[in-house]
Amino acid sequence: AQKITQTQPGMFVQEKEAVTLDCTYDTSDQSYGLFWYKQPSSGEMIFLIYQGSYDEQNATEGRYSLNFQKARKSANLVISASQLGDSAMYFCAMRSYGNNRLAFGKGNQVVVIP
Amino acid sequence: DAGITQSPRHKVTETGTPVTLRCHQTENHRYMYWYRQDPGHGLRLIHYSYGVKDTDKGEVSDGYSVSRSKTEDFLLTLESATSSQTSVYFCAIKGTGLNTEAFFGQGTRLTVV
Repeated sequence: AQKITQTQPGMFVQEKEAVTLDCTYDTSDQSYGLFWYKQPSSGEMIFLIYQGSYDEQNATEGRYSLNFQKARKSANLVISASQLGDSAMYFCAMRSYGNNRLAFGKGNQVVVIP
Repeated sequence: DAGITQSPRHKVTETGTPVTLRCHQTENHRYMYWYRQDPGHGLRLIHYSYGVKDTDKGEVSDGYSVSRSKTEDFLLTLESATSSQTSVYFCAIKGTGLNTEAFFGQGTRLTVV
């Protein structure tokens, strides 16, 4: 079974600083995809970034990057130069090739302070 | 924006009554998912579908059933609503490729009194 773990308590980060959100996962599949989503207080789910298990490079999308360590089964999200609009809940998700499920972690709360 | 809509957006119902939530997509995506979101629990998968009439249980399926008779519609039914099913329900759709992102509906806030 797939399991996604996000255990950090709520985080406060200073505007313009970087923040790292931890995500570990458990799967027996070799082929899988990892996703990060953002949920602001308004409630919508916004896709941020994707990392494939066979991708050799860490994914980047603007200020978002993914620190992918396959052997440790971790896929940490790094947000650089935090902005006030980054205050939100962030979810890590995974889908394995042989499994139709898309499983989510419990989320990390981030508050950016000026 | 991905073509996915949930209805209703808000509902208050009484304990013991049946409730059906609808998820409608215009993207012709194969996969559809129902999640519930509760504080401290993140998004928990209730049921999902990988094709017309092909559905499977998620991690919190007790008390819920689903149906998908058409590609575009995925219905979630609470046979007899309980207060523990008070939650925000999200539907998501996803294409076939492993790297395709899932798109979410706006959510349905359900209150069981």
